[in-house]
Amino acid sequence: EVQLVESGGGLVQPGRSLRLSCAASGFTFDDYAMHWVRQAPGKGLDWVSSISWNSGSIDYADSVKGRFTISRDNAKNSLYLQMNSLRAEDTALYYCAKEGTGTTGTHYFDYWGQGTLVTVSS
Amino acid sequence: DIQMTQSPSSLSASVGDRVTITCRASQGISRYLNWYQQKAGKAPKLLIYAASSLQSGVPSRFSGSASGTDFTLTISSLQPEDFATYYCQQSYSTPWTFGQGTKVEIK
Repeated sequence: EVQLVESGGGLVQPGRSLRLSCAASGFTFDDYAMHWVRQAPGKGLDWVSSISWNSGSIDYADSVKGRFTISRDNAKNSLYLQMNSLRAEDTALYYCAKEGTGTTGTHYFDYWGQGTLVTVSS
Repeated sequence: DIQMTQSPSSLSASVGDRVTITCRASQGISRYLNWYQQKAGKAPKLLIYAASSLQSGVPSRFSGSASGTDFTLTISSLQPEDFATYYCQQSYSTPWTFGQGTKVEIK
């Protein structure tokens, strides 16, 4: 059974840093790209960042570029998101999501964690 | 960035109703369109990928279709457990973008 368990969220002041973790199990972690997706309270889904299986390809939403860093440790089956210079608008539930790939090359999020809440407030 | 526009933003329906939700992409995305269901307080769940492929374990009352830049999610006979918010998402190019969501409520 695929499991994704996020941790590291909490209340942080604007301008400070936080590091999120996602522990993966139930699949061969280093075979798949992974993503972070966030959801502000009462709002929709917002893709944040992605990392390929070997960390060779990394991408960010413009809203977090230069402030957030995604990484992974395949030996530990873990995904991370280092968040620096946090802003009030970064307040959200942060989901870790596994990328699936269809036979025609399409991509999707086939498994999601339960999320970890990040609140940025003074 | 590719904009995804869902309609309606909400709808009220009864058990047994046929429900249709539409998603329009701001440019061509081939069939790189996915649909998710999110229940209150829960993580999203993949329903449909590649516009019309049913994810394993998802009931067959859910279906997806595509016509140009317009995509449709259909629930053939709404069940009590289907009351939720539905999102479309394009994976044609980064940033991967979502529609704003359609909340399906009980009439």
